[in-house]
Amino acid sequence: DGGITQSPKYLFRKEGQNVTLSCEQNLNHDAMYWYRQDPGQGLRLIYYSQIVNDFQKGDIAEGYSVSREKKESFPLTVTSAQKNPTAFYLCASSMRNYGYTFGSGTRLTVV
Amino acid sequence: DQQVKQNSPSLSVQEGRISILNCDYTNSMFDYFLWYKKYPAEGPTFLISISSIKDKNEDGRFTVFLNKSAKHLSLHIVPSQPGDSAVYFCAASLIIQGAQKLVFGQGTRLTINP
Repeated sequence: DGGITQSPKYLFRKEGQNVTLSCEQNLNHDAMYWYRQDPGQGLRLIYYSQIVNDFQKGDIAEGYSVSREKKESFPLTVTSAQKNPTAFYLCASSMRNYGYTFGSGTRLTVV
Repeated sequence: DQQVKQNSPSLSVQEGRISILNCDYTNSMFDYFLWYKKYPAEGPTFLISISSIKDKNEDGRFTVFLNKSAKHLSLHIVPSQPGDSAVYFCAASLIIQGAQKLVFGQGTRLTINP
């Protein structure tokens, strides 16, 4: 059963901590993306990657980092430099020109 | 700079009637448009799409209309059902340096009343 798996579903972070959100896909998609959803602001692109070992900043990359060491995996690290990290994070993947398939999301809360 | 806008944050429709969700865009380079449906605490799921060379695409109860001159697209759901209650995002596709990039609107929360 092909799809995208995001983990964990809920994550709590203390001030000043780095946390890493996992995203794995078995769809054999080349491109992967990270979006952030905030109320009333839709989905905003954080980072995206077209191929292994290559990634580009999206519209709101500050305070985030990513890696793409394997085609199947695109983890997102929320660093302590991200001033307002509480949000719903969505990972997606795509084959060129076929739209995105999304994971079920991770809700990150700063405590 | 919001390239894709959904100006109605919410919409309430009676069950069985038509729901019309609207979306405006500014970039004439968008070549493909999509609608996604999202339930709380879940990822968006693809609903329907339309190429920029067409003006209408229909799939069951869902029809998307594209007016390129007005840079406007709309999603019609008829008849509306309670299970249609969700947040709907429109998205526009652009190829930048070989990568497909989707730009999303802010979303419209649709509530279907029994």
